[in-house]
Amino acid sequence: AQSVAQPEDQVNVAEGNPLTVKCTYSVSGNPYLFWYVQYPNRGLQFLLKYITGDNLVKGSYGFEAEFNKSQTSFHLKKPSALVSDSALYFCAVRDFETSGTYKYIFGTGTRLKVLA
Amino acid sequence: NAGVTQTPKFRVLKTGQSMTLLCAQDMNHEYMYWYRQDPGMGLRLIHYSVGEGTTAKGEVPDGYNVSRLKKQNFLLGLESAAPSQTSVYFCASSTGLAGGSHEQYFGPGTRLTVT
Repeated sequence: AQSVAQPEDQVNVAEGNPLTVKCTYSVSGNPYLFWYVQYPNRGLQFLLKYITGDNLVKGSYGFEAEFNKSQTSFHLKKPSALVSDSALYFCAVRDFETSGTYKYIFGTGTRLKVLA
Repeated sequence: NAGVTQTPKFRVLKTGQSMTLLCAQDMNHEYMYWYRQDPGMGLRLIHYSVGEGTTAKGEVPDGYNVSRLKKQNFLLGLESAAPSQTSVYFCASSTGLAGGSHEQYFGPGTRLTVT
């Protein structure tokens, strides 16, 4: 079965410093990987995805993620963190069914706190 | 475009009561999903639908039923609410087209408390 793990419940980083939020996955076949962000009392918002192609994927709000097949990782990164980046971040993987349909599996989330 | 909307935004139920949560999307998406979000548990899939008239069980389907009578609507029902169903419920949708974008679009959530 497909799965995704976010090993850190919380990540603290100083404003202006680079940030990394970790995600590892376990899938059979080629992975479809996603990052979402959730601000307080809001629904999830899509940040970026990896389907195929370049291993470095750029997304919204200056975020990027690096797909590493050998390490089965898809870490979220940003060169310079902002206080406004403080939120809950979710990694997700698409889980294909034998019927040809699919659903998504989410990690447990990582709370990012950017300190001024 | 309103995107994905959810009704109601908040609800308090007593144990044993029933209710229906409504999700609507105006993006002509084939796929729709219901999740629950609990602290430390992330998002867990309750039920999903890959098209009008279809439904399938997710990771935590017990105690819930769903219907997708119209493509744009996905209803989540609780027949006899229990305190363990206190949670925040999110609806999402995505295109099922092979060449379409693959990300999900989420509603704002429904905060349900069962006393």
